Amino acid sequence: KAGVTQTPRYLIKTRGQQVTLSCSPISGHRSVSWYQQTPGQGLQFLFEYFSETQRNKGNFPGRFSGRQFSNSRSEMNVSTLELGDSALYLCASSLEGRVSASSYNSPLHFGNGTRLTVT
Amino acid sequence: KQEVTQIPAALSVPEGENLVLNCSFTDSAIYNLQWFRQDPGKGLTSLLLIQSSQREQTSGRLNASLDKSSGRSTLYIAASQPGDSATYLCAVIEGGSEKLVFGKGTKLTVNP
Repeated sequence: KAGVTQTPRYLIKTRGQQVTLSCSPISGHRSVSWYQQTPGQGLQFLFEYFSETQRNKGNFPGRFSGRQFSNSRSEMNVSTLELGDSALYLCASSLEGRVSASSYNSPLHFGNGTRLTVT
Repeated sequence: KQEVTQIPAALSVPEGENLVLNCSFTDSAIYNLQWFRQDPGKGLTSLLLIQSSQREQTSGRLNASLDKSSGRSTLYIAASQPGDSATYLCAVIEGGSEKLVFGKGTKLTVNP
């Protein structure tokens, strides 16, 4: 079974530009979540999608947005890039979404991430 | 606000040693706690998931415990090997917000 695929692996952008990152979950997984990893802040939750609906959102500005398609693939977009947006962006998929406490037992499967550098 | 702390930030041990990694969290209202490993430049690999009603989980040489009342979890690695070298992260799904909150990890180096 193919794992979680993130494209592209590396991106270099300049301040003010926008960027779109893509994530293809494991086949059959309906939940996709996104995370930002930086040396200073560590891993921080961005948002989670389940069946094309945003289930949860972290404390990031509105420049960060995402969506999920009917085939469960997800994209995240960052507009008006800032130097501080340089990070490793990770997505994860799981079989179930966080619809109830009983569904929290689905482990997360992570992709290898997209390394974004903003200059 | 939930905070997850992992101490130490880095650990170096000789091959074959048994070791314990620590994770603490400030709010005991969690749904579960997970341990992950991350290799350089890669994503995270889920190691163990402990539900809030459980006390421990085991997988091979790994054993994770959870004490919700004290806000602590430990990951025990038996007979460490150089291949265990990686950064180990713990994360909790906090009650209420249902968000996944990560610690900053412990970087483990196992020397041959």
